[in-house]
Amino acid sequence: DAKTTQPPSMDCAEGRAANLPCNHSTISGNEYVYWYRQIHSQGPQYIIHGLKNNETNEMASLIITEDRKSSTLILPHATLRDTAVYYCIVSSKVRGTGNQFYFGTGTSLTVIP
Amino acid sequence: DVKVTQSSRYLVKRTGEKVFLECVQDMDHENMFWYRQDPGLGLRLIYFSYDVKMKEKGDIPEGYSVSREKKERFSLILESASTNQTSMYLCASIVKGGTRPQHFGDGTRLSIL
Repeated sequence: DAKTTQPPSMDCAEGRAANLPCNHSTISGNEYVYWYRQIHSQGPQYIIHGLKNNETNEMASLIITEDRKSSTLILPHATLRDTAVYYCIVSSKVRGTGNQFYFGTGTSLTVIP
Repeated sequence: DVKVTQSSRYLVKRTGEKVFLECVQDMDHENMFWYRQDPGLGLRLIYFSYDVKMKEKGDIPEGYSVSREKKERFSLILESASTNQTSMYLCASIVKGGTRPQHFGDGTRLSIL
């Protein structure tokens, strides 16, 4: 199973872009990269996912390197409400029935006023 | 929007009790998951189910069992609660197959005294 590596913590100034890196050097060709975040005392919230092309939605952008061994989640204008733990996950199939996610310990992002 | 509802946000039980944690999803998802989350360990998969009455062990099934009698409901059972099962428990669901993200409930913080 592919595993991910993230820095344990990061700070970002309010209003600036937050760039959260993730290494997944053993990712397989058909495995997607997913990003979630978890605000204290809540369940993980889905942010974005992608295979090999860059993706953007209303919450964030996901940049995946050409070799797919790493990715970066970009929050374009961080706010105090973006303070959370961010998880980078590479999925793996569960007997063809769906995706099993392996969560690591994530990156604790603190947005500073 | 998908809604995954866990029956209790906070629960306190005593050692040796049989404990039931309930999870209901409203999107007709085939796959459902139970995780526990502990500081420094991230989320760890306990059990999952890919259909009614079907279940599979995750990474840490010892001391737990599950029940899936109806498609929308997935129950986690602590047969004889112990203090080392004090944790945050998270339920998730996902449609079968494809690459869609898992949707999580807000968790149950369980304390075993």
